[in-house]
Amino acid sequence: LAKTTQPISMDSYEGQEVNITCSHNNIATNDYITWYQQFPSQGPRFIIQGYKTKVTNEVASLFIPADRKSSTLSLPRVSLSDTAVYYCLVGIETGANNLFFGTGTRLTVIP
Amino acid sequence: GAVVSQHPSRVICKSGTSVKIECRSLDFQATTMFWYRQFPKQSLMLMATSNEGSKATYEQGVEKDKFLINHASLTLSTLTVTSAHPEDSSFYICSARDRLEREKLFFGSGTQLSVL
Repeated sequence: LAKTTQPISMDSYEGQEVNITCSHNNIATNDYITWYQQFPSQGPRFIIQGYKTKVTNEVASLFIPADRKSSTLSLPRVSLSDTAVYYCLVGIETGANNLFFGTGTRLTVIP
Repeated sequence: GAVVSQHPSRVICKSGTSVKIECRSLDFQATTMFWYRQFPKQSLMLMATSNEGSKATYEQGVEKDKFLINHASLTLSTLTVTSAHPEDSSFYICSARDRLEREKLFFGSGTQLSVL
């Protein structure tokens, strides 16, 4: 059973910032939060990982509030090529139960 | 980043035959690998966890005699779909957890299996 909850779908226009939130109320103390992107007929691709506060890389930012019960993936200025399904996973190390994928969020970028 | 190589990317076979899918971690050691299957427009479903040198752990509802998993080395795991039937047609994805960076999971590119 997935331990995360995300919106099933989102639409955005090109050039806009997109924020996708994942709820993980039962996150454990040692759990990291990891986001993946999946295109059709491909395996998921690692985007970003964080433990608390804010993490930024060349692709995205990850915002994690103090209670860590949720996280928000922020994609700046999306393009058509960002159309994909985005998944969050919590606690990859701590147990097989954490490897169940939730529904993910299907992001559609509109021209 | 770490690379997981999965082969073949696509296979078409006749009903009743067996198909082997390979998953290799190319630049890191993976004591644990995971196998998923994914149907169109659906999320990934965890099938089994394979640990190097030991028997795989299968999730509920996954037949271990149909989906044979071997994890003979720190860089190779194989999934064999035995006596495949059309209902086994799916997208199969492997993933590997880095032995040293256990919070990171890397995925293969997937194998589209079509059973006629």
